[in-house]
Amino acid sequence: GENVEQHPSTLSVQEGDSAVIKCTYSDSASNYFPWYKQELGKGPQLIIDIRSNVGEKKDQRIAVTLNKTAKHFSLHITETQPEDSAVYFCAASRRGGGADGLTFGKGTHLIIQP
Amino acid sequence: GAGVSQSPRYKVAKRGQDVALRCDPISGHVSLFWYQQALGQGPEFLTYFQNEAQLDKSGLPSDRFFAERPEGSVSTLKIQRTQQEDSAVYLCASSEQGSYGYTFGSGTRLTVV
Repeated sequence: GENVEQHPSTLSVQEGDSAVIKCTYSDSASNYFPWYKQELGKGPQLIIDIRSNVGEKKDQRIAVTLNKTAKHFSLHITETQPEDSAVYFCAASRRGGGADGLTFGKGTHLIIQP
Repeated sequence: GAGVSQSPRYKVAKRGQDVALRCDPISGHVSLFWYQQALGQGPEFLTYFQNEAQLDKSGLPSDRFFAERPEGSVSTLKIQRTQQEDSAVYLCASSEQGSYGYTFGSGTRLTVV
């Protein structure tokens, strides 16, 4: 089955700086790669996703890049703000959220220092 | 409703007790998922429904775990004879047909003592 590795487990950055979280996956048949943000006591919230037919996607301060050959994908957050502090999870699946289950990484605790 | 609703929010069970966790998905969402999230870990897939059909239950850890969605809307995850290792947050998510992303509820935190 699929295995998703996520690094780092904790990331501390100064407010206004950029943050990068990286994930690798093992199943070459995976085609859908979402990123979720989880705040304390809440369920994960989808923040951005990418499908295998594109290499990069951007939404305001958030971007995701995908390298299918190397089987890795990354989340980039620019101009970080205090409200970006949370745990971020990457995930992968073959067909996409509505048709099969996701395999998640172990998460990155992002801390934004004021 | 506006989001995925799960109840109860917290459940404390004595070892050996049976529990039932409820999920109310977003109205009209065809797909429904259950995940288990241990402390400090990512969610792990348990099972998946499309309408009332359970299409994948490969993630259920043992035959003590059972899920149903009889009318294609509300779902119940039942755990029989709870063990300490069942302590976790149980997350439910739902998705529209044809959609890639899905919406999670806030989860039920189960503590087995």
